[in-house]
Amino acid sequence: DTEVTQTPKHLVMGMTNKKSLKCEQHMGHRAMYWYKQKAKKPPELMFVYSYEKLSINESVPSRFSPECPNSSLLNLHLHALQPEDSALYLCASSQDLKDAYEQYFGPGTRLTVT
Amino acid sequence: AQSVTQPDIHITVSEGASLELRCNYSYGATPYLFWYVQSPGQGLQLLLKYFSGDTLVQGIKGFEAEFKRSQSSFNLRKPSVHWSDAAEYFCAVGARVWEYGNKLVFGAGTILRVKS
Repeated sequence: DTEVTQTPKHLVMGMTNKKSLKCEQHMGHRAMYWYKQKAKKPPELMFVYSYEKLSINESVPSRFSPECPNSSLLNLHLHALQPEDSALYLCASSQDLKDAYEQYFGPGTRLTVT
Repeated sequence: AQSVTQPDIHITVSEGASLELRCNYSYGATPYLFWYVQSPGQGLQLLLKYFSGDTLVQGIKGFEAEFKRSQSSFNLRKPSVHWSDAAEYFCAVGARVWEYGNKLVFGAGTILRVKS
């Protein structure tokens, strides 16, 4: 099983809402990633978890709050977002953070902030 | 600094024609190189990767890529394009920007259109 699943597929939220994105993998990978992708652009890294600990935060605003409850799950909690945060949010995982491990991507959550 | 350049924003080819997508990278050490494909509204799927060894690597869906160190290139090729290959293609390098791991640095992407 080389699948990364993400829910929901689409999400529309107002600027005062609180919502969460969920990502799951069952490949035994110990590194998990959140990316943000705007239209016609490459993915931009947001956060990296390694062995369930936050390893990298790419200067992401605090209205995005990641959480890794266990080695298979990764959440992204959203609060007080802005319209410019509308994007495709991609989750990825890799065997480890080190060296030559490819990342497997989920299908993404299309987020619209109104 | 590590960077990846995909010189072609859009490419249009006829179905059945051959394809080459260009990718140049800038990285001081031995690069780990990847090609990903993204269909509209979808996540990224890994097509192929180069870590070491044979410089011609085979991937899924009939794609191959050749690593040329002297040209800092990792071009993607397919001998005969199918309409289902229409998508956006991203070249990426695994760059050691962190002390304990590699970050994927993506190119800007090339949108492939296939005409029948």
